[in-house]
Amino acid sequence: EAQVTQNPRYLITVTGKKLTVTCSQNMNHEYMSWYRQDPGLGLRQIYYSMNVEVTDKGDVPEGYKVSRKEKRNFPLILESPSPNQTSLYFCASSSGGTDIYEQYFGPGTRLTVT
Amino acid sequence: GQNIDQPTEMTATEGAIVQINCTYQTSGFNGLFWYQQHAGEAPTFLSYNVLDGLEEKGRFSSFLSRSKGYSYLLLKELQMKDSASYLCAVRASRFMDSSYKLIFGSGTRLLVRP
Repeated sequence: EAQVTQNPRYLITVTGKKLTVTCSQNMNHEYMSWYRQDPGLGLRQIYYSMNVEVTDKGDVPEGYKVSRKEKRNFPLILESPSPNQTSLYFCASSSGGTDIYEQYFGPGTRLTVT
Repeated sequence: GQNIDQPTEMTATEGAIVQINCTYQTSGFNGLFWYQQHAGEAPTFLSYNVLDGLEEKGRFSSFLSRSKGYSYLLLKELQMKDSASYLCAVRASRFMDSSYKLIFGSGTRLLVRP
């Protein structure tokens, strides 16, 4: 089954404790992206990757890191989480290029930083 | 700057037609997407427009006017299951660069009443 998976689905952590949220897709997609979703603000793009070893900042990259060492994986790293990073996070992937390719979203990771 | 506006909430009656508007101001416009998101779930793709005009897909249609920075999503024969948030998203490409990012509006919460 074609899908985007994220782990963990739920996470409660404390300020400053490094964490990684994994994202994996099995559709051989070139483009992968991370978003955060907050009430009243909608989905905001954190980082995206056009292909392996190619990443770029979205609109809200501060406090986050990503890497794209393999095509299928695109982990999101919070080196020192803070309470303002409490949010719902979505990973998404799509075929590359600028044609119609829609994004497929993972199920989401609900992160709480205390 | 980049900006996308949608109404926050709309209410409609089962069986009726509803139009959800989206206006945008972005540089490097390269396509507009509509996504549906049920509460607690990931967004799912509904439609895509890159040229002016209407795209029809079953009960859903989407319209784009690039000169006006305007799009709408038209939902016909509304069903209770159409109660969800509808997200407008613009793909913006960088000049002379195939890289692109997606900018989402805050979403329109649609409530369908019996």
